[in-house]
Amino acid sequence: AQRVTQPEKLLSVFKGAPVELKCNYSYSGSPELFWYVQYSRQRLQLLLRHISRESIKGFTADLNKGETSFHLKKPFAQEEDSAMYYCALSSSGGGNKLTFGTGTQLKVEL
Amino acid sequence: NAGVTQTPKFQVLKTGQSMTLQCAQDMNHEYMSWYRQDPGMGLRLIHYSVGAGITDQGEVPNGYNVSRSTTEDFPLRLLSAAPSQTSVYFCASSYSGDSPLHFGNGTRLTVT
Repeated sequence: AQRVTQPEKLLSVFKGAPVELKCNYSYSGSPELFWYVQYSRQRLQLLLRHISRESIKGFTADLNKGETSFHLKKPFAQEEDSAMYYCALSSSGGGNKLTFGTGTQLKVEL
Repeated sequence: NAGVTQTPKFQVLKTGQSMTLQCAQDMNHEYMSWYRQDPGMGLRLIHYSVGAGITDQGEVPNGYNVSRSTTEDFPLRLLSAAPSQTSVYFCASSYSGDSPLHFGNGTRLTVT
């Protein structure tokens, strides 16, 4: 069975510090991985997906098949990055049936 | 363009009552799905649909029914509510199987 693990419930960093939100997965097939974000009082939305290889709002994530990880990184945290972040894996090869991790609350302090 | 609209936002039910959570999207998306979110757990897929007239079960389908008579609407029915169904429910849609999900604002359901 597929599984997504986000080991940190809460991550607190200072503004300007680097951020790394951890995500590990278990899946027997070829994974497709996503990061979704929920800002305060907003709906859950896609931040990035690994096949796009994009950098969104300064965030990047590299799929490491050897370590089965998809950690989310940003070199310099901003106050507006404070949000709940969910790592997710697609079992269907697409983005419409997802297995989510439990989420990490990122708090950026001044 | 409202996106994905869920109603109601909040609901309290007594054990054994039935109700329908509504979900509508105006983006002409083929794919729609329902997730539930419980404390300390990620979102879990309840049911999904790949188009009008087609539905299938997700990870936690027991106690829930769905139908997809139109492209726009994907209601979730609780036939006999149980306290274990206390949760936050999210509806989502996507243009295709390869497209990102668009989420609704959620429905917070409490079953006493």
